[in-house]
Amino acid sequence: DTEVTQTPKHLVMGMTNKKSLKCEQHMGHRAMYWYKQKAKKPPELMFVYSYEKLSINESVPSRFSPECPNSSLLNLHLHALQPEDSALYLCASSHTGFRQYGYTFGSGTRLTVV
Amino acid sequence: AQTVTQSQPEMSVQEAETVTLSCTYDTSESDYYLFWYKQPPSRQMILVIRQEAYKQQNATENRFSVNFQKAAKSFSLKISDSQLGDAAMYFCAYRSAETSGSRLTFGEGTQLTVNP
Repeated sequence: DTEVTQTPKHLVMGMTNKKSLKCEQHMGHRAMYWYKQKAKKPPELMFVYSYEKLSINESVPSRFSPECPNSSLLNLHLHALQPEDSALYLCASSHTGFRQYGYTFGSGTRLTVV
Repeated sequence: AQTVTQSQPEMSVQEAETVTLSCTYDTSESDYYLFWYKQPPSRQMILVIRQEAYKQQNATENRFSVNFQKAAKSFSLKISDSQLGDAAMYFCAYRSAETSGSRLTFGEGTQLTVNP
């Protein structure tokens, strides 16, 4: 298995809703990432998990809450989002350590906040 | 901090022709990786090719090759025999090999159109 699977593919939520994005990989990668991507722009790093521990939080608002329950699964819990949070949310994974290569990305969740 | 610059927001090429996408980067590190990622309308970021900075030989993957000029901090992507399926946004990216768990730094992207 060489994939990162993200669900759902599309999500529409109101500003008072609570929802979660899910990401799963079975490649043995111990680093997992959440990125936010606006149209025609590069991905922006949000969070990094290394060995199931949060190692980087890029000053993301608390309405985004990541969780890494095990080495294969990464969640992003959403609550009280704003319309400007509408974007493509990409999950990625990689091996850890100095000598490793690129990330493997999922196909993303297209989030619309209404 | 490292920066990556893609000076061509848009490029177009005729099917079967060759196109080169430009990328420059700035870093004080000597050991790092460079990547080209492709993002078609399907949204998934796909790794096209990677280059290790300590290797002088330019990487190649089938129709894709790079021109890596370490002293000039330049990393261009050449696509030969362009196909309609090559149409996508292309991102150049940098990752340190000197810091464990380092992030990918992306350029702004180049939108490639392939004309039939």
